[in-house]
Amino acid sequence: GQNIDQPTEMTATEGAIVQINCTYQTSGFNGLFWYQQHAGEAPTFLSYNVLDGLEEKGRFSSFLSRSKGYSYLLLKELQMKDSASYLCAVRDSNYQLIWGAGTKLIIKP
Amino acid sequence: ETGVTQTPRHLVMGMTNKKSLKCEQHLGHNAMYWYKQSAKKPLELMFVYSLEERVENNSVPSRFSPECPNSSHLFLHLHTLQPEDSALYLCASSQDSSPSGRLVDTQYFGPGTRLTVL
Repeated sequence: GQNIDQPTEMTATEGAIVQINCTYQTSGFNGLFWYQQHAGEAPTFLSYNVLDGLEEKGRFSSFLSRSKGYSYLLLKELQMKDSASYLCAVRDSNYQLIWGAGTKLIIKP
Repeated sequence: ETGVTQTPRHLVMGMTNKKSLKCEQHLGHNAMYWYKQSAKKPLELMFVYSLEERVENNSVPSRFSPECPNSSHLFLHLHTLQPEDSALYLCASSQDSSPSGRLVDTQYFGPGTRLTVL
């Protein structure tokens, strides 16, 4: 079967750095997405990786290793507003999006 | 209005009621999706419409009935639901720009309808 694993919950301190991991086992690979979802709001697109390596976008970076079936989302200079759930999704060989259950990130002052 | 909008934002209904969820996208996209999001579970894809034709129906019970009258609007008609259907229902849209017709582009989500079935 197809599976996306990410930690259920993480806690970090304001101003610090946090890395949210995502591992996947899917039938084929056609890209990996990260979304941010604040409680009661729409998931919003953060990043897309299809080739190995690091994609940087401001305070957020996303890394992909296709050989390891692994990605991480790195958040720097954490702010209270970064408290949210972070969803990892992989597009498989049929171009279906397989979703993880999300990681709830709690930022403490 | 911009992006993807959904109404109502909250809905409480009895098991014998009939109601409809509405989604509208203002992005000029040609594909629309319904997802179910339950607590601590992955998003479950329910239906996909591309160019107003249903291209996917993921074994969803018949008490959920989608309708896509045009590329900007998507409805989910609900009848005789069960308490386990209580969840957040998310609509999304994307622009299918691939020559193969595969839905390869980023999906943009609405804020969802929080549904409670009593």
